[in-house]
Amino acid sequence: NAGVTQTPKFQVLKTGQSMTLQCAQDMNHNSMYWYRQDPGMGLRLIYYSASEGTTDKGEVPNGYNVSRLNKREFSLRLESAAPSQTSVYFCASRSALAGFYEQYFGPGTRLTVT
Amino acid sequence: QQQVKQSPQSLIVQKGGISIINCAYENTAFDYFPWYQQFPGKGPALLIAIRPDVSEKKEGRFTISFNKSAKQFSLHIMDSQPGDSATYFCAATPTGAGSYQLTFGKGTKLSVIP
Repeated sequence: NAGVTQTPKFQVLKTGQSMTLQCAQDMNHNSMYWYRQDPGMGLRLIYYSASEGTTDKGEVPNGYNVSRLNKREFSLRLESAAPSQTSVYFCASRSALAGFYEQYFGPGTRLTVT
Repeated sequence: QQQVKQSPQSLIVQKGGISIINCAYENTAFDYFPWYQQFPGKGPALLIAIRPDVSEKKEGRFTISFNKSAKQFSLHIMDSQPGDSATYFCAATPTGAGSYQLTFGKGTKLSVIP
């Protein structure tokens, strides 16, 4: 199993450009999450999807949109990138089985907006 | 409002010493407290987690101590090794809410020197 995979690994955008970060998991997990990680700020939740067909805002959703394409895939879109969105983005997934709370993280996408 | 406060921001420990990282939370609905370990260029990975029905949980050299009345929990790394050098994040979530949104502390960068 590959676990949680993210593409691309690195990306440089100019202000105003758009892009979609892709995430896929092969663990048959129901819930998926997008976080951003900035120096000294920990990980902050952008959006999450508790199950296929549902998405909800997290702590810092402004400037982002998400799509839960199917059970495996959860994408994050920046419609008009801004320098403040320079960050490392992590996708995570979690099983829906009772008592299983661990979130499994992908390797991250390092995004720079100039 | 930061709901999980983590200290210290950075920690330098001699090989063989004890590393201690502390976290405090505010939301009394939190009832699952994981610690994640992150190496440079990688995604966070679950290290150890505790529920509030126990005051301590030990896995190998890693121990979580939990004080429900003080709303504090800490990670102790015994016999710290250079391979433990990483960033550690505490987190918390209420498990009754269904979405299991993790709230992370800001992280502690641990350096274990030989």
